[in-house]
Amino acid sequence: GPKVLQIPSHQIIDMGQMVTLNCDPVSNHLYFYWYKQILGQQMEFLVNFYNGKVMEKSKLFKDQFSVERPDGSYFTLKIQPTALEDSAVYFCASSLEENTLYFGAGTRLSVL
Amino acid sequence: DAKTTQPDSMESTEGETVHLPCSHATISGNEYIYWYRQVPLQGPEYVTHGLQQNTTNSMAFLAIASDRKSSTLILTHVSLRDAAVYHCILRVAGAKLTFGGGTRLTVRP
Repeated sequence: GPKVLQIPSHQIIDMGQMVTLNCDPVSNHLYFYWYKQILGQQMEFLVNFYNGKVMEKSKLFKDQFSVERPDGSYFTLKIQPTALEDSAVYFCASSLEENTLYFGAGTRLSVL
Repeated sequence: DAKTTQPDSMESTEGETVHLPCSHATISGNEYIYWYRQVPLQGPEYVTHGLQQNTTNSMAFLAIASDRKSSTLILTHVSLRDAAVYHCILRVAGAKLTFGGGTRLTVRP
């Protein structure tokens, strides 16, 4: 199926630092999503994004989180500052219009 | 509240056909039935989806009850690679996917 790429696969940072997670969505997709999964737990929706705007966000999408897709390049999730509870795997997904979501392999974020 | 109900776990043996059930008694007319699967350390993988008619693709056959209150994902000739957590999710077009616990499928050699 279509491929969504996430870079890097693993990132380790110190608490309080800023981190940017990068997602290269499927080339013609227009809708973008971030999900969070703590090891052994369910996938949790964070935010979705379309036409340069956040469409919907969950209560997990704290004020320290932001998303953007500057100039049609990577879709990014920025966390500033990070907290210990932000340690998780973050999955990016994209879809064409209102169709099927395709997920990347995730970025494992470890906040020390 | 969960909109779908799935068994926590199921077991099968390589080469068998597996029927994964999903109940969605309160499904709305504009909700599609999506199936995704996830293995550890990987992102969810799209399996199939349907609205009212049964659907089939290279991965699975989706049987949807005539009243749409339940569905069954049918995997034929399962292999070890089919071991995963299978999620049955209702989704209105354009909305987010909301994951639950899914069914953990174990495949024995």
